[in-house]
Amino acid sequence: AQKVTQAQTEISVVEKEDVTLDCVYETRDTTYYLFWYKQPPSGELVFLIRRNSFDEQNEISGRYSWNFQKSTSSFNFTITASQVVDSAVYFCALRGAGSYQLTFGKGTKLSVIP
Amino acid sequence: DTGVSQDPRHKITKRGQNVTFRCDPISEHNRLYWYRQTLGQGPEFLTYFQNEAQLEKSRLLSDRFSAERPKGSFSTLEIQRTEQGDSAMYLCASSLDVEKLFFGSGTQLSVL
Repeated sequence: AQKVTQAQTEISVVEKEDVTLDCVYETRDTTYYLFWYKQPPSGELVFLIRRNSFDEQNEISGRYSWNFQKSTSSFNFTITASQVVDSAVYFCALRGAGSYQLTFGKGTKLSVIP
Repeated sequence: DTGVSQDPRHKITKRGQNVTFRCDPISEHNRLYWYRQTLGQGPEFLTYFQNEAQLEKSRLLSDRFSAERPKGSFSTLEIQRTEQGDSAMYLCASSLDVEKLFFGSGTQLSVL
C-alpha cells in the first residue's frame, strides 16, 4: 500500500522568509513517482513537479527547490523568499509504476503574511 | 484554450437521490481521472479512463458509483442512492501523459 505523510498541517511565514514543506512516503514499489501539487484558494490543483525513484538529483526552479532523499523516503519542497502569492495548500503525492492512481498526502496549508 | 470544465459547480441533494456530474477534459487529452476530496484531506482517487476505456478503479469505490466516458470525450460520474458520507468535492482531471494532470475546479456535493 502507498502512503504519503505531510506532518505539517499549517505553516505561517512572513514574506521573504524561506520555508520547507516536508513529505515522507511509504511504498513497496521499486519504481515510483513523486509529485507536488499546489491548490490555491481558487481551488484548482496545479502541477509543480514530478520525480522518479531513480533520479535523486535535487531540482531547482526559480524560487522553488526539491530535495529527494531515498534513504529517508522524503521529498521535501522549499520555497525561497516566499511571496504572498505562494499562499496555498501544497500536496505531496505518490504513484507506483503499475498504477495510474495518485496517492496524496493531507496537504500543508501555507500562509505567507505580508 | 479552456481548461478542464466541470458541471455543476455545486449540487445539493437529499439522501437517497441519484446525482450525475459531468467533466469536459482539455480537448486533446486522452486520459481522464476522477478524484474526491473532503475538507482537510488530499484528493482520493476514484477512477481512470484512457480514451473510452476505464482502466483503473479504486477498490474503495462503492458499487453505487459509476463512471462513463463515451467516445473518449466528456465523462460522467453517477452516484446512486446518495448518503451523507458522499458529501465532498468531486474533482476531474485530464492529461496527455500520466505525469502532469490538469484539474478542474470540481463539483461540490452536499447530501442532506
